Amino acid sequence: EVQLVESEGGLVQPGGSLRLSCAASGFTFSSYWMHWVRQAPGKGLVWVSRIKSDGTTPGYADSVKGRFTISRDNAKNTLYLQMNSLRAGDTAVYYCAREAGGVLSLDCWGQGTLVTVSS
Amino acid sequence: QSALTQPPSASGSPGQSVTISCTGTSSDVGAYNYVSWYQQHPGKAPKLMIYEVSKRPSGVPDRFSGSKSGNTASLTVSGLQAEDEADYYCSSYAGNNNVIFGGGTKLTVL
Repeated sequence: EVQLVESEGGLVQPGGSLRLSCAASGFTFSSYWMHWVRQAPGKGLVWVSRIKSDGTTPGYADSVKGRFTISRDNAKNTLYLQMNSLRAGDTAVYYCAREAGGVLSLDCWGQGTLVTVSS
Repeated sequence: QSALTQPPSASGSPGQSVTISCTGTSSDVGAYNYVSWYQQHPGKAPKLMIYEVSKRPSGVPDRFSGSKSGNTASLTVSGLQAEDEADYYCSSYAGNNNVIFGGGTKLTVL
């Protein structure tokens, strides 16, 4: 079964850092582009970042560029999102998603993990 | 990177058809045939319904169809069913390794 499982989020103070991970199973992780998408409470989906199958060509939304870093370890079948200089506006459920079957076709999503930035 | 524009809400009676629009610019929706649509029920992860404007993943009913004209993409749900009531989001490639989503449309089945 294709599965993506995000690590637990949590409460972080403004200016703080947090690293999310996304464990993949049931498919050849190293063959797929992977994305992070977030959703603030009661709001819509917002794309955050993506990374190519081989770990190159990272892309970021303007709102996180310079603060967030996407990476992956294909040997561990794991995707990461390092989040620094966190702000209240980063509070959201963060989803990892697999791109498969077509360009920007996010066909498999994790269950999401809540990150709350507050003092 | 402004969000794509979707109507906040749409509705229809069971059996009817409803179309949700997604308006972008000549730099995103109009430039690429890389528009996807996602369905999200409350408290759940999104589900892919349409990709590359009009392609349907296996398992998605053929009641769901997608199209594009100029800078506007559309999702049509035919033969509305109660379980179609959900939030729907479009997304598009925006060039320069960027992706944007629409603000979402809440579909109500009356």
